[in-house]
Amino acid sequence: DTAVSQTPKYLVTQMGNDKSIKCEQNLGHDTMYWYKQDSKKFLKIMFSYNNKELIINETVPNRFSPKSPDKAHLNLHINSLELGDSAVYFCASSQMEGNSPLHFGNGTRLTVT
Amino acid sequence: QKEVEQDPGPLSVPEGAIVSLNCTYSNSAFQYFMWYRQYSRKGPELLMYTYSSGNKEDGRFTAQVDKSSKYISLFIRDSQPSDSATYLCAMIRPYNFNKFYFGSGTKLNVKP
Repeated sequence: DTAVSQTPKYLVTQMGNDKSIKCEQNLGHDTMYWYKQDSKKFLKIMFSYNNKELIINETVPNRFSPKSPDKAHLNLHINSLELGDSAVYFCASSQMEGNSPLHFGNGTRLTVT
Repeated sequence: QKEVEQDPGPLSVPEGAIVSLNCTYSNSAFQYFMWYRQYSRKGPELLMYTYSSGNKEDGRFTAQVDKSSKYISLFIRDSQPSDSATYLCAMIRPYNFNKFYFGSGTKLNVKP
């Protein structure tokens, strides 16, 4: 029973396509995140939702649209994919009250050709 | 200047060595400190979580925080080939618990 699970694990697609990544957590956390990790392993925050409400929206192209149907789920939809979108995308969760650390999923490796 | 600095390595050590991994930071408001281990093609996995200054030990791992020097360390005793991974430090400020600041990670290779 994986704590933070995201699908798919691998995603290979062509430029211009639209794709979605799904994430679910069963830790009972109230906050979920999307991070992008580049080839040098640097983790960059993209979005954060607390109880379904967007609380962090970093400088991300508006082709990226997160959606949180409930506090256990956070999806990421990407329109008109570009070559530069190729990266590993990590979902994570934490409990904002209670000083909890982040718990990560195993990532979605997106390759845009 | 980045808020959190971490030497990317790679750091290569023989099996059984003591490993020291370090991060420096610029913001004295950071109070909560984490170390994550990331294996290839996996997500970061929480190893240690500490508050403020001092040491915390868990098995072969010791996390150390020196707030006066704005410096945190992770020590690995009796290192094993299975410890080969990228190690990321992270930290947060009080009352801002959703904003995590990460180092860029240090790649560790433990040779048998």
